[in-house]
Amino acid sequence: QQQLQQSGPGLVKPSETLSLTCAVSGGSINSSSSFWGWIRQPPGKGLGWIGNIYFTGNTYYNSSLKSRATISIDTSKNQFSLKLNSVTAADTAVYYCARLRALFCSDGNCYGVFDIWGQGTMVTVSS
Amino acid sequence: DIVMTQSPDSLAVSLGERATINCKSSQTVLHSSNNKKYLAWYQQKPGQPPKLLIYWASTRESGVPDRFSGSGSGTDFTLTISSLQAEDVAVYYCQQYYSSPYSFGQGTKLEIK
Repeated sequence: QQQLQQSGPGLVKPSETLSLTCAVSGGSINSSSSFWGWIRQPPGKGLGWIGNIYFTGNTYYNSSLKSRATISIDTSKNQFSLKLNSVTAADTAVYYCARLRALFCSDGNCYGVFDIWGQGTMVTVSS
Repeated sequence: DIVMTQSPDSLAVSLGERATINCKSSQTVLHSSNNKKYLAWYQQKPGQPPKLLIYWASTRESGVPDRFSGSGSGTDFTLTISSLQAEDVAVYYCQQYYSSPYSFGQGTKLEIK
């Protein structure tokens, strides 16, 4: 069974860059049926999708983040990462990495669900 | 963007009774290419990440008890817990994966009456 282990700082200063890494164990990040994603949850609030990456490096983002997010993948280390720049207090949240299991692919698009999640990292943006 | 709206925001049900949570999408999540509804349900307990319960609106994830079931049309969906157990206390989220950006409902908090 695959597991995801997150790492990264829990405190980031305003205007700086949030950086988190998710290490995949128990299986290869090169799986053709998996995408890798980041989701966040502000305190006491609901879930918000940030973006996904495929092992080829193809990325898909929520445009609401106005291009502040960058997701990258390192297949040699079996891990993927999130960088979110120019952070403000509104970016304070629990950040989760997750595996998106592709259920159906058609015309170059794949659709799936988040079936394995990391433990979550509480990131506070504060000076 | 597709907006997902759940009702109620919170729900209290007696042990052994049925719990029903609703989810409405602002547009259809029924895809004509495979006639499937691109709707999932997740359970989140305090201090834990969400857990996938159901996908394709009604397919239970492996290991999920059969007291959990999902149903619905192209825009209106329901998660039913047939006989509430103490361990089912959690917040439940619906999510559409029909189109980007993936979106979640605001959550429904389920408690014991």
